Amino acid sequence: RKEVEQDPGPFNVPEGATVAFNCTYSNSASQSFFWYRQDCRKEPKLLMSVYSSGNEDGRFTAQLNRASQYISLLIRDSKLSDSATYLCVVNNGYTGGFKTIFGAGTRLFVKA
Amino acid sequence: NAGVTQTPKFRILKIGQSMTLQCTQDMNHNYMYWYRQDPGMGLKLIYYSVGAGITDKGEVPNGYNVSRSTTEDFPLRLELAAPSQTSVYFCASSRDLQETQYFGPGTRLLVL
Repeated sequence: RKEVEQDPGPFNVPEGATVAFNCTYSNSASQSFFWYRQDCRKEPKLLMSVYSSGNEDGRFTAQLNRASQYISLLIRDSKLSDSATYLCVVNNGYTGGFKTIFGAGTRLFVKA
Repeated sequence: NAGVTQTPKFRILKIGQSMTLQCTQDMNHNYMYWYRQDPGMGLKLIYYSVGAGITDKGEVPNGYNVSRSTTEDFPLRLELAAPSQTSVYFCASSRDLQETQYFGPGTRLLVL
């Protein structure tokens, strides 16, 4: 089982749609969680951190479920500019050696 | 603030050649990282550093070396280039282990 797994997609959605991505992780001792966005041929950039209580930033909502070991990202009212690859990132700190694990990413295409 | 800068942007190497990928950050971050990203794959950690003079191996260190003589610079050295090292290389930095990583624009390396 991969340490961090994401549905690779692609997700093809019309503008204005709501889309949700899930990401599962295998290490129950994982300490911090993030969603990054990566545009084609560009570097990853932080979209948002994921907190236990859940957090929202405009049209984006992130949730963490430690019991089931998954995090989610919800995008409401999708825009064309949301088209990108979304990377789930799990940080295990120094447990068993430093590890920040990046998922392979979920591709999103938003169509007009 | 330039953030994280990387040079070169693109390079073609012949098998067996050597090169150094440069990475500099101006945010006074203690933590720096080198990743490689293969098509359709997540980022894999090559080496990381928790401060000047301290480096450690990541998940895929074979074939690479690093040094960290200053807080700002974290060069990655390929000694004997192999086709398997064809990839996109990203350098990143963060203030602390659990915090956001800021990425450079990447170096695309092709080994023929």
